[in-house]
Amino acid sequence: GAGVSQSPSNKVTEKGKDVELRCDPISGHTALYWYRQSLGQGLEFLIYFQGNSAPDKSGLPSDRFSAERTGGSVSTLTIQRTQQEDSAVYLCASSLTFAEYEQYFGPGTRLTVT
Amino acid sequence: DAKTTQPPSMDCAEGRAANLPCNHSTISGNEYVYWYRQIHSQGPQYIIHGLKNNETNEMASLIITEDRKSSTLILPHATLRDTAVYYCIVRVASTGANSKLTFGKGITLSVRP
Repeated sequence: GAGVSQSPSNKVTEKGKDVELRCDPISGHTALYWYRQSLGQGLEFLIYFQGNSAPDKSGLPSDRFSAERTGGSVSTLTIQRTQQEDSAVYLCASSLTFAEYEQYFGPGTRLTVT
Repeated sequence: DAKTTQPPSMDCAEGRAANLPCNHSTISGNEYVYWYRQIHSQGPQYIIHGLKNNETNEMASLIITEDRKSSTLILPHATLRDTAVYYCIVRVASTGANSKLTFGKGITLSVRP
């Protein structure tokens, strides 16, 4: 079946611009996670959605970062007023439930801020 | 902070077994050991997990010591496609915020022809 998909695969933006990254989780998966991977910080958790519960935003690095999940499916990660340190690969993962062991990761969006 | 310690790198010959060690000396009784891997330019991929018993699936075997303070991931017949960064992760398999994965630096496995 279809896995987690993310778009765009690559995004180059100028410093100060806003960007939106999209994640389509596996159909039926109720838990959705955003991570980012950069050379300096490795792979770090950003935000987590589970069903209709309030999201866990504890990993968001600043208030320029926000995410939403509409209809319990597609999620969008928005970065406002991008900075060069936001350059990273942004990874989305989904799992069947929050208690499910396996998280399925998408291929990521490579964001470059110039 | 990651709760596991892994060597930075190792290599093995194609067709041989690759044994990847992990230390998790502060693991709690309700925490599982998970292994994920990340092949270059791809997202992480789940491999296997266990609590205290040894586990085996089509990809690998997981050997956990009796005191649960360390474990070994075994790829029985490594191929060139197994070249990747392997992450050993400890987490509680339950609800809410604890379901996020905390990645350390992992171990880079290089399989040589």
